[in-house]
Amino acid sequence: GAVVSQHPSRVICKSGTSVKIECRSLDFQATTMFWYRQFPKKSLMLMATSNEGSKATYEQGVEKDKFLINHASLTLSTLTVTSAHPEDSSFYICSARDPGQGDNEQFFGPGTRLTVL
Amino acid sequence: GQNIDQPTEMTATEGAIVQINCTYQTSGFNGLFWYQQHAGEAPTFLSYNVLDGLEEKGRFSSFLSRSKGYSYLLLKELQMKDSASYLCAVTDSNYQLIWGAGTKLIIKP
Repeated sequence: GAVVSQHPSRVICKSGTSVKIECRSLDFQATTMFWYRQFPKKSLMLMATSNEGSKATYEQGVEKDKFLINHASLTLSTLTVTSAHPEDSSFYICSARDPGQGDNEQFFGPGTRLTVL
Repeated sequence: GQNIDQPTEMTATEGAIVQINCTYQTSGFNGLFWYQQHAGEAPTFLSYNVLDGLEEKGRFSSFLSRSKGYSYLLLKELQMKDSASYLCAVTDSNYQLIWGAGTKLIIKP
């Protein structure tokens, strides 16, 4: 099956710093990747849809200047949390579609636990 | 608006059967997914239904009725490792995934 990796799996940073999270599709080319965040005991919340070679589409209420998304290649998308604050502490998960396995299923990365002190 | 409802929490006994229901109201329908998510981990795919009926995969089965906007996930021969959250998600007309809040399943010995 399609494999998606995320790095780092866990990060702790000081308030005001920026954190970059990488999402890679390992055995397929993903023209579309998705970034979610999940607070404890809550469902996944879509933050943005990342399309290779073009600007990401952000969901309502998500600050595009704070959550910078870059999808420079067919196998890599990055999410940068700029000037992180404690309220940004969350579980960030990326997913990708594998066109070779139909257009519907999303394959998830293992997630990144961000803690901002 | 778009909405997916599923119970917040369910409890079942090891070895038993449990059914987790999901109802949805979305703008269009292009399939329904069930995912399993253990605490602190990303969701893992369980099943996908796009046509009415029952899909069986080992101990897990998923049912869909598009006319009723209803699905259920059936877990048989429950094991302790099945303790997790089960997420129902629907793909709408724009192929966006709309997520339910998840059902936390607690398995007791």
